[in-house]
Amino acid sequence: SQQGEEDPQALSIQEGENATMNCSYKTSINNLQWYRQNSGRGLVHLILIRSNEREKHSGRLRVTLDTSKKSSSLLITASRAADTASYFCATDGGQNFVFGPGTRLSVLP
Amino acid sequence: DAGVIQSPRHEVTEMGQEVTLRCKPISGHDYLFWYRQTMMRGLELLIYFNNNVPIDDSGMPEDRFSAKMPNASFSTLKIQPSEPRDSAVYFCASSPSSWKNYGYTFGSGTRLTVV
Repeated sequence: SQQGEEDPQALSIQEGENATMNCSYKTSINNLQWYRQNSGRGLVHLILIRSNEREKHSGRLRVTLDTSKKSSSLLITASRAADTASYFCATDGGQNFVFGPGTRLSVLP
Repeated sequence: DAGVIQSPRHEVTEMGQEVTLRCKPISGHDYLFWYRQTMMRGLELLIYFNNNVPIDDSGMPEDRFSAKMPNASFSTLKIQPSEPRDSAVYFCASSPSSWKNYGYTFGSGTRLTVV
């Protein structure tokens, strides 16, 4: 399937540090999205990047896309305890978006 | 807009009982998706609707699961009879027709426990 695969599965950092998560996928895509899920809550859409874009920014978030390597990265700068959550990439599998297993980020105060 | 609204937030039921989960999408959104999330399998798409019509139900695990969307503002996911392995968090999400450009809005989910 088109499912993206996030890496690492879990990441633990100190507050103020940067956090980088990666997503790899197998076949060509039109768009790739990143979502955040806080414990016990639904997923929240963070950012969408199109296949013809290489980089997008939104506040402390920076997403890159390398279609030649079929990979994307999500960088959170100056992390805060409130950034503790699971992060998912979603790739468009034609009819709908397919979600990866996620990266669990813990930001320690 | 209040976002995607799901009810109940938590449901505990006995094996063999019927369970009905409810979802109210965002007004004006043409697409509605039902997902199931477990630790073992992650997020799985069960079924999705476009303009109230089921488009793809290939993710519905078996005949015990059924979903309906009688109008643009309401959808249900029913499990009958329920089994312990159905225990999971069930999410509803909606999106506008240009879903590829905007992504999905998720509800807060229903945590189902079948004992």
